[in-house]
Formats: sequence, structure tokens, C-alpha cells
Amino acid sequence: DAGVIQSPRHEVTEMGQEVTLRCKPISGHDYLFWYRQTMMRGLELLIYFNNNVPIDDSGMPEDRFSAKMPNASFSTLKIQPSEPRDSAVYFCASSSTQTIGETQYFGPGTRLLVL
Amino acid sequence: DAKTTQPTSMDCAEGRAANLPCNHSTISGNEYVYWYRQIHSQGPQYIIHGLKNNETNEMASLIITEDRKSSTLILPHATLRDTAVYYCITGYSTLTFGKGTMLLVSP
Repeated sequence: DAGVIQSPRHEVTEMGQEVTLRCKPISGHDYLFWYRQTMMRGLELLIYFNNNVPIDDSGMPEDRFSAKMPNASFSTLKIQPSEPRDSAVYFCASSSTQTIGETQYFGPGTRLLVL
Repeated sequence: DAKTTQPTSMDCAEGRAANLPCNHSTISGNEYVYWYRQIHSQGPQYIIHGLKNNETNEMASLIITEDRKSSTLILPHATLRDTAVYYCITGYSTLTFGKGTMLLVSP
């Protein structure tokens, strides 16, 4: 298995532009997570899905952020409009189930720089 | 806020055992102890987890105290590639990452 795939790996954009981050989870995994990592705040959970349905989006910082999972093999995290403080590494992770003992597999991350 | 306490950093000589402590005094009965690590510029990687009993896999051993208020991750023969930030996490479903321990393995 190729693992969790994220694209793009790097993104540089200007303030005010729309940014779309993409994630392909491991086949067969029914949970998908979006995290954000910054030096100041560390690794934060933004939102997670189960069977394509958003379960908890309490970590989404504000309305400029939105996430979708149209099918079991694809998810997007969109920032519109982007701001310099959104600069961070965004990770996607997936797991096969959220019951006892299951682990999350992380993608390589998307490094976002908003100028 | 993370529910665990870990030292900010630790050093270990290559080939020696690395013992990383973690305090989780508020852990509840159904919460597991998970260990992940993050090598520079990579996504976090699962290492091991446990509930009550000690656990061992090909990467590490996990020792959990009888009262479950603390645990120790053991890398039996640390290599330079084990240099990373190690996160101790307690929970049942979602993971809340703290600041972790920066382990530096030196030649």
C-alpha cells in the first residue's frame, strides 16, 4: 500500500487566495483526520470523518476553513481566503477503525506558506 | 491541553537503550497509552500502545506502571535514525498531541 497520500507537498500562495489541500487515505480505512502543525501550537486536530461523514470539527479554527470527504478515497481541506497565520504543515491521517488499539497512519504533510 | 507530561529533551548514545518516561496521572480506565514519534519533516509514526500490560514489538517496549499513572518507552538499541520527537498520548479515540520529548541519539 502506498500509505496516505497528500498533495501538494508544498504550497506557496498570497494572502487572500484560496488554498485546497488534498488527501487520499489508505484503502479500507474508514476514519480520516486533518491536523495542523505549527511551532507555536504544535500538532492540532482540526476535523475528522468516519465513513465520509464529519464527526467532530471543533478544531477548525474559523469559517475560512472547510473540509469535505465526497467519497472513501478522497478528502479536501480548503482555506478561503488564506491568511499568513495559516502558514503551517497540514497532515492527513487515516485509520481502519476508532475502536481500541487502532492506530493512525499519517501522510507526509503539505507545507503551506501564505505570503 | 495534553494530558501527559514528558521531559522536553533527552540524549542517548548510539547502541544504548533509550528510556523515555511519561506521566499520565489522570488517565481513565478505558484509555490507552499510545506512543508516536515524528522524525524531522515527516508525519508522526505510530510506535506502540498499551492498556495495562507491558507490550513489546519490533520497534520498542512499553512499560506501564501498575497504577497506570506513568509509563516508559524503551528503545533497546538506539540508532541515529531514532533521533526524533517522541509523543506519549492517552486516549480512546482521537489523539491529542503534547510537546513530546526530543530524543537526540549521538554517535
